[in-house]
Order: sequence, then structure tokens, then C-alpha cells
Amino acid sequence: KAGVTQTPRYLIKTRGQQVTLSCSPISGHRSVSWYQQTPGQGLQFLFEYFSETQRNKGNFPGRFSGRQFSNSRSEMNVSTLELGDSALYLCASSPFFGTDTQYFGPGTRLTVL
Amino acid sequence: LAKTTQPISMDSYEGQEVNITCSHNNIATNDYITWYQQFPSQGPRFIIQGYKTKVTNEVASLFIPADRKSSTLSLPRVSLSDTAVYYCLVDNMDSSYKLIFGSGTRLLVRP
Repeated sequence: KAGVTQTPRYLIKTRGQQVTLSCSPISGHRSVSWYQQTPGQGLQFLFEYFSETQRNKGNFPGRFSGRQFSNSRSEMNVSTLELGDSALYLCASSPFFGTDTQYFGPGTRLTVL
Repeated sequence: LAKTTQPISMDSYEGQEVNITCSHNNIATNDYITWYQQFPSQGPRFIIQGYKTKVTNEVASLFIPADRKSSTLSLPRVSLSDTAVYYCLVDNMDSSYKLIFGSGTRLLVRP
């Protein structure tokens, strides 16, 4: 099976802009989670989607949002970008809601100038 | 969620066995212990998971004592390609699942 894919892999934006990142889970996986990784804060959970519904949300401002489509693909959006949003954004998929092993994609490296 | 404590970094040499210990004093009855490996600019990769005693797979072994307040990830005969950050996580599968990553252990394998 193909792994989790994320597009784009690299992105450069300027402050105030918005960005949309895409994640395609492993075929058959219905749960998608998003994480932000920065050198200072490490890996932090953003949100989880299952069956097109957000099931869990981390402690991030409302500028961070996401959605999941009927084919389980997911997008996350960050509006009004700030310099501190520069990070590696990771998507992970798992077969079901509330399961243990999550399979991570390679991430999208976002740089905000 | 139980908090985990790991060494910040470890050094080893090729061919040696590496043991990384994780402390999780507040582990709950329903909690499992999971280890992930992460290479630079890549997503974490599941290594091994266990509940008690010993678990072994083709990559590593996980040792969990009876009180489950700690666990040890054992990597046999490491190679340069094992240089990575290793995360110990403790969580249960009863609730909606989000992984809480600590700081991890940065393992450097030298030739």
C-alpha cells in the first residue's frame, strides 16, 4: 500500500497570507490527524478527523482549521499567517477512530517570511 | 495522560546494543507504551508497542517491568542509520486518539 502523502512538501508564504495543506491517508484508513512540529515546541497535536467530523482538537488558535472529505483525504488551513507558524506540518492516518498506531506522512515544511 | 521522561540524548557506536529508558510513573491501567522513531524532516515511524513484560519485533525489543512505571527500548547492533530521535509515548486506546509527544531521545550512532 502507498503511504501517507502530503502536498506540497515545501511552501513559502508571507505574514498575513493563508495556506492550505493536503493529506491523503493510506488507502482504507479513515482517521486523519494533524501535528505541528517546531524546534521550540516539539510535536504538537492539532486535530483529528474521522468520517468527515473533527473528533479532537489541540490547543491551537482558531486560525488553524481543517476538514476531511468523504474519501478520507484531509486538508488543513492556516489563515493570517504569523512568523511562528513556520513549522513542519505532519499528517498521520490510522484505520479507525481511537486506534493506537498512526502512520505519518513526510510532512509539509512551511516557512513564513 | 501519563507524562514521560527520557534522556535528552545518547551516543553509541555501530554494532552496539542501545537501551533507551523511559519513565512514566503515572501510567494508568489502560495505558499502553509505544515508541516512535523520527529522522530529520520526516514523520515519526512506529517502532514497537507493549503493555507488560517483553515485546520483540524485527526492529527492537521493549522491556516493561511489573510495576510498568518505566520501559526500555532495546535496539540490537545499531548502525549509522539508527541515528534518529526516539519518542516514548503512553496512552490508552479508549478515548479519541491523539499522540502526546515528549522531547524524545536523540540517539547518535558513531562509526
